[in-house]
Amino acid sequence: EADIYQTPRYLVIGTGKKITLECSQTMGHDKMYWYQQDPGMELHLIHYSYGVNSTEKGDLSSESTVSRIRTEHFPLTLESARPSHTSQYLCASTTGVPGNTIYFGEGSWLTVV
Amino acid sequence: AQSVTQPDIHITVSEGASLELRCNYSYGATPYLFWYVQSPGQGLQLLLKYFSGDTLVQGIKGFEAEFKRSQSSFNLRKPSVHWSDAAEYFCAVGPRGEYGNKLVFGAGTILRVKS
Repeated sequence: EADIYQTPRYLVIGTGKKITLECSQTMGHDKMYWYQQDPGMELHLIHYSYGVNSTEKGDLSSESTVSRIRTEHFPLTLESARPSHTSQYLCASTTGVPGNTIYFGEGSWLTVV
Repeated sequence: AQSVTQPDIHITVSEGASLELRCNYSYGATPYLFWYVQSPGQGLQLLLKYFSGDTLVQGIKGFEAEFKRSQSSFNLRKPSVHWSDAAEYFCAVGPRGEYGNKLVFGAGTILRVKS
């Protein structure tokens, strides 16, 4: 059972609002990731972190930002949400060993109206 | 650039029938290979993974996958499908070495099981 949690699970907000999607894991994993998944499409990596104070952009350009102040916490923020940000956002984490199992949270469905 | 192709968007099988989900990848070298399953409203769960060695990999829930280097394929199989297997299945690849956990996913295959 993976101990990685995302909140909120579902969120509907208006254009221009600032939102933060929370992701926490209690497994002590160094590596954490944010993926974006549009319905029926691939997951795309938008951010990743290899440890505290480490953040990198992923393969898909995103207007969101992330921070990694604590090992267990990897929040994603949109300063000004737009309808094009409507998507599912999946957080994941793993140990520092390359190729080890990546554990996913249950996802946050964001709808911007 | 690396890519993963799952040619079947939807597959419907009868309960008890066998299943094969296809996955082809494009990569510079043999990557790590994964299959994940996602049930509605849930996160992704790892079914199995291939790193090296035996090219037939056993996973959870009775699934197995076979790596074929010559075909750049990693197809997922199950001999007898159960109704609870209805979900979306994702094939993913990751580079070996330091960035081995930066996965590239296919578009997914939705499995429907009819009774």
